Amino acid sequence: EAQVTQNPRYLITVTGKKLTVTCSQNMNHEYMSWYRQDPGLGLRQIYYSMNVEVTDKGDVPEGYKVSRKEKRNFPLILESPSPNQTSLYFCASSPLRSAGKNIQYFGAGTRLSVL
Amino acid sequence: KNEVEQSPQNLTAQEGEFITINCSYSVGISALHWLQQHPGGGIVSLFMLSSGKKKHGRLIATINIQEKHSSLHITASHPRDSAVYICAAPPTSGTYKYIFGTGTRLKVLA
Repeated sequence: EAQVTQNPRYLITVTGKKLTVTCSQNMNHEYMSWYRQDPGLGLRQIYYSMNVEVTDKGDVPEGYKVSRKEKRNFPLILESPSPNQTSLYFCASSPLRSAGKNIQYFGAGTRLSVL
Repeated sequence: KNEVEQSPQNLTAQEGEFITINCSYSVGISALHWLQQHPGGGIVSLFMLSSGKKKHGRLIATINIQEKHSSLHITASHPRDSAVYICAAPPTSGTYKYIFGTGTRLKVLA
C-alpha cells in the first residue's frame, strides 16, 4: 500500500530536549516536505527536499533541521524545542515531474507538545 | 494580506444542500490544489487543477486562472462531507514552496 508514515503520532516533551520526527514514504517520490499546522494560521511549510541531499527552506524553518540521506526518509529534527513549536506536523511526498502539478500524499500527522 | 485566501472560514449546511467554497490567490501559480482534512486530522488531496473543471463523485472543482479564483462545489451534501477544506498554491516560479489557505471548516447536519 502506498503510504507516508510518520512517527511518533503523539509526543510530549520538555523545552530543550532534542527530538526527531521520522517520515518515510514507499512510493519512490523525489519530493518530500514538512508542514506545521496551527489554529488560525493553517498549514505552513517548514522545509522541503527535491531529492537526496537537496533540501531548501520553506516559510518557517527557524528552529528546525532536516536531512535527506536516503530517498525514502526525511526526518525533522528539533535540536532545542521550545513551547512555540507546539503544533501539528505533517510530512508529505510527491513525484517531481512538473513543478507544482503533482498530488501530494500526506502522513497521518504528529501532534507535538513542548512544555 | 494572505497570498491565498479562502471563504467562508466556517460553513454549516443541511444535508442535501449545494455547497460552494471559494479560494482566491494573488500569486502566479502553475496549478491549484484542494485538500480535505478529516476530523481525525488526516489530509488527503482531492484535486489538482491548472484550468477548467474537474469532477470526482459529488465534488466539483473549477478554476479561472485570469481571475485568480477557484471554487470547490459539493452537490447533495452529506454529513460525511464534514471536514476542513484547504486550497494550496505553488507559485509559477518553479519553486516547490506551497502556500496554503487557512481552510474552510464545513459541518453538514443530518
